[in-house]
Amino acid sequence: DSGVTQTPKHLITATGQRVTLRCSPRSGDLSVYWYQQSLDQGLQFLIQYYNGEERAKGNILERFSAQQFPDLHSELNLSSLELGDSALYFCASSPRWGGDEQFFGPGTRLTVL
Amino acid sequence: AQKVTQAQTEISVVEKEDVTLDCVYETRDTTYYLFWYKQPPSGELVFLIRRNSFDEQNEISGRYSWNFQKSTSSFNFTITASQVVDSAVYFCALSALGGFKTIFGAGTRLFVKA
Repeated sequence: DSGVTQTPKHLITATGQRVTLRCSPRSGDLSVYWYQQSLDQGLQFLIQYYNGEERAKGNILERFSAQQFPDLHSELNLSSLELGDSALYFCASSPRWGGDEQFFGPGTRLTVL
Repeated sequence: AQKVTQAQTEISVVEKEDVTLDCVYETRDTTYYLFWYKQPPSGELVFLIRRNSFDEQNEISGRYSWNFQKSTSSFNFTITASQVVDSAVYFCALSALGGFKTIFGAGTRLFVKA
């Protein structure tokens, strides 16, 4: 158990809808990272927050947004969902930023029908 | 630009064989970190090792060993006397401080047969 929690584990929704994925980092970790893992795209970095501030952006679509709250938990919002958004979404946390090892949550499997 | 290449998509070995997973990276940053993660069939990614760009010492942890060579931009991972429980997808990753973001390779799926 990495200490990172993600909810929900599974999410099934329809195209055009909006969903929110939640992540609680390990106790004491200040950085949260979001990744998307799909069969054809591999593990793609989406965005990183450090102590409430956005630190790095990857291949995150404009329809997606995220934030990190004062208690350090983070939410990833996905809107106007398309079939291609179906994937496993991972959250990871690390003590600081940049070069720290990341501890991954169990992931949220999103299915868009 | 940063890039991580894991040329081996799938590797199949028989238990007790040694196996090496290759990782080649590209970055213009002089300070960077390299990682290996394991993703077993259960799906969760597990951290295995971190190496910074100033430390080229090889590392051994039980049956696992890592060979970091800056001259060839490689960070290879060897499993000695493989076991069925080693069956997983292994990812190599790069994090350069200039860009903050972590780039993962496409992964190598390892099958270890009994």
